[in-house]
Order: sequence, then C-alpha cells, then structure tokens
Amino acid sequence: SQELEQSPQSLIVQEGKNLTINCTSSKTLYGLYWYKQKYGEGLIFLMMLQKGGEEKSHEKITAKLDEKKQQSSLHITASQPSHAGIYLCGADHTGGFKTIFGAGTRLFVKA
Amino acid sequence: DTGVSQNPRHKITKRGQNVTFRCDPISEHNRLYWYRQTLGQGPEFLTYFQNEAQLEKSRLLSDRFSAERPKGSFSTLEIQRTEQGDSAMYLCASTPTSSSPLHFGNGTRLTVT
Repeated sequence: SQELEQSPQSLIVQEGKNLTINCTSSKTLYGLYWYKQKYGEGLIFLMMLQKGGEEKSHEKITAKLDEKKQQSSLHITASQPSHAGIYLCGADHTGGFKTIFGAGTRLFVKA
Repeated sequence: DTGVSQNPRHKITKRGQNVTFRCDPISEHNRLYWYRQTLGQGPEFLTYFQNEAQLEKSRLLSDRFSAERPKGSFSTLEIQRTEQGDSAMYLCASTPTSSSPLHFGNGTRLTVT
C-alpha cells in the first residue's frame, strides 16, 4: 500500500549482526503491527504498538513507534538464521476496522 | 486454539473456471478478513465480516468475486470465470475485537493456467 512504506525492500546480513527495518505511514496510526512470514505460509504476529513513543521487545526483536505515531522501526539484535523471512508492518488507520500492509522487507541471514 | 484453517492449500484451475475457498476462523473470533497477496507484495485487503455481516468490500473485489459467512462461523470466497491475473495467495484472518491483531491462516495458493 502506498499509505505504508517499508524500507529496505530486502536485506542480507551476516549472522550475529544487528539490523533495523523501517515502516512509514502517510497517516496517523491508531495501531501498528509487525508480522513475520515465511515463504508460502501465513503471517505470524510479532508485536503491536499503539501509543506514541511505545517500545516493545520479544527475545532479540525490539519495535518502536515514534511520538507522532507515523513511523515505526523493528530492530533485531545479533541476528540468527532463524530470523530470516519476510517482515511486514500493518497499520490501522481507521480505528479498528481493517489493517493495511506494507510490501514487506525480505531478510536473509548468512551463516 | 486450533488456529485459522484454510482449504484447499493449493488450487490449480483453468482460465474461465469457478473456484471456491473455505476459511474456518478461530471459534470465538467474530471478525473475519480476506486478503490477497501476490509475489513480492504485502497482503491486500479484500473484504471483512463481523459475524455474518459483510461490512466492507475493497474496490479490488470485482463482480466476479463473492464472499459469504452465512452463520457467522466459516467463510467462503468464490471467484467466477477465473483469469490469469487472479493467481495469488488468498489469506484469511480472524480477530476477536477491533483492537486485536489478526490471526492468519496459511492461505490458499491459486494458480490459473
């Protein structure tokens, strides 16, 4: 969706390196969701952010929502091959009626 | 929680044929969504239901597409007179409330030859 831009489109990192994926919305966000997808499968929910300045972590993945609620970042520390996949951000611009998605960031982790 | 179930996983059909996909959401989830995903893109919203009521349809959903959720439980998505451009992964998701994240099934991959 043009309302939601993700960068980079793809990323190749060496195992053990840190990385950041960005998601920028053209509208104020009621909610921002991060998902992971493996090829040919459905999306797995990672984290949800709703408040400006909010930050959440799960294992080695941290997601932040900026104060203006229009940009989010996903940071992976000490990447592992198991982190490889497609990371998608999803946005709620309508107060809970539907989620739209960015095009995704394809992450490859070299062992 | 058995998760969202979609059938079939794969469907190959010839251009012009009709196809129907089924989605069984998580049992206590009253919202059900259909998305379409093509290679290299994120999921595109098609339509959603709250219980049995279809509340929104995307402009992407042409007259050849129809979705139902007759008893507010499982849903079907039918595509009539399929075209090669319909080839995609069709994803179903459900959620219990408007502020909860979506739970996705593994999708139905449609190939139109």
